[in-house]
Amino acid sequence: AQSVAQPEDQVNVAEGNPLTVKCTYSVSGNPYLFWYVQYPNRGLQFLLKYITGDNLVKGSYGFEAEFNKSQTSFHLKKPSALVSDSALYFCAVRDNQGGKLIFGQGTELSVKP
Amino acid sequence: KAGVTQTPRYLIKTRGQQVTLSCSPISGHRSVSWYQQTPGQGLQFLFEYFSETQRNKGNFPGRFSGRQFSNSRSEMNVSTLELGDSALYLCASSLWTAKGDIQYFGAGTRLSVL
Repeated sequence: AQSVAQPEDQVNVAEGNPLTVKCTYSVSGNPYLFWYVQYPNRGLQFLLKYITGDNLVKGSYGFEAEFNKSQTSFHLKKPSALVSDSALYFCAVRDNQGGKLIFGQGTELSVKP
Repeated sequence: KAGVTQTPRYLIKTRGQQVTLSCSPISGHRSVSWYQQTPGQGLQFLFEYFSETQRNKGNFPGRFSGRQFSNSRSEMNVSTLELGDSALYLCASSLWTAKGDIQYFGAGTRLSVL
């Protein structure tokens, strides 16, 4: 069965510092990975995806993610965090037997001034 | 281009009642998926519809059902509501392209069952 795991429930970062939100995956075949962000009382917003190609994927709002096949990881990164980046972040993998997304449990990112 | 629209945004129901939630996808998107989000279980897939046909279904009881209309709009219905059905219900629409598909989510319907 395919799955993703986000090992940290919460990540705290000072504004201006780099941030990393971790995600590891377990899939059979080639992974099709996503990152989404959720602000309070809102739906999920798409940030970026990885299908094949470059291991460094650039997305919205200055976010990027690094795909590492040997470590089965797909960590989300940003060089300089903003207070407005504070939100709930979800990693997801597309089920290869259908179109559904399988989500991690989410990581709460808190960026302090 | 308008995003995914879900109505209503909030609902309060009592146990035993039924409820219908609505989702209008992004124009041109033919696939609609539904997810349930709760603090305890996280985000769980309910079902996916494509061209009015259910293409995929998650592990939810038969009280949860859905349908899709010819204009791609979708509804989900929950009958005989239970307290545990209280959740944020999210709808997502997608369009398959040569570069794959991306699911775009609506703001959700927050259902409270009393």
